[in-house]
Amino acid sequence: GQQVMQIPQYQHVQEGEDFTTYCNSSTTLSNIQWYKQRPGGHPVFLIQLVKSGEVKKQKRLTFQFGEAKKNSSLHITATQTTDVGTYFCADETSGSRLTFGEGTQLTVNP
Amino acid sequence: NAGVTQTPKFRVLKTGQSMTLLCAQDMNHEYMYWYRQDPGMGLRLIHYSVGEGTTAKGEVPDGYNVSRLKKQNFLLGLESAAPSQTSVYFCASSYFGVRGYTFGSGTRLTVV
Repeated sequence: GQQVMQIPQYQHVQEGEDFTTYCNSSTTLSNIQWYKQRPGGHPVFLIQLVKSGEVKKQKRLTFQFGEAKKNSSLHITATQTTDVGTYFCADETSGSRLTFGEGTQLTVNP
Repeated sequence: NAGVTQTPKFRVLKTGQSMTLLCAQDMNHEYMYWYRQDPGMGLRLIHYSVGEGTTAKGEVPDGYNVSRLKKQNFLLGLESAAPSQTSVYFCASSYFGVRGYTFGSGTRLTVV
């Protein structure tokens, strides 16, 4: 079945540094959704990307969908301690099911 | 506006015991899902439903059963719990699969 690979698995940054997580697939992705899960919490929907080459921004967060729809990225500018958590990408398969990547766990040192 | 509510939040079971996890949503969403989350393995789909009275298997359905008798409720059953089912279980719902999933706060299940 569809596999969504996410890298890196862990990322530790100093507050103020930038952070990027990548989502890759060997096959064409349908729609990419991004979620954030705080420690001990539940995943929270951030955004959905549908179109090839799409770029969307939410304050310090920039989401991109690759031209070939085989990869996606989430970039955070000037991280803050509130950005701590695990970021998941997920591809929408048939029947509106999501296949999740393994996530990137972000820690921020104040 | 409660969103997605899961009960119970925590549970410890002995091997071989059975239990039912309840998920309730008040957003009139058609689609509902059960995922399990294990360290380093992301979220894996157990079963899902695209409407009242319908259910389908996901990626890891063995050892679980589900029912969707009412549109707002999605039940996950473990007939004979095994230690391998120790996990955090998340229920989610969505409106025809768009605009993202809304997740419940999760159930932490330990099977000893």
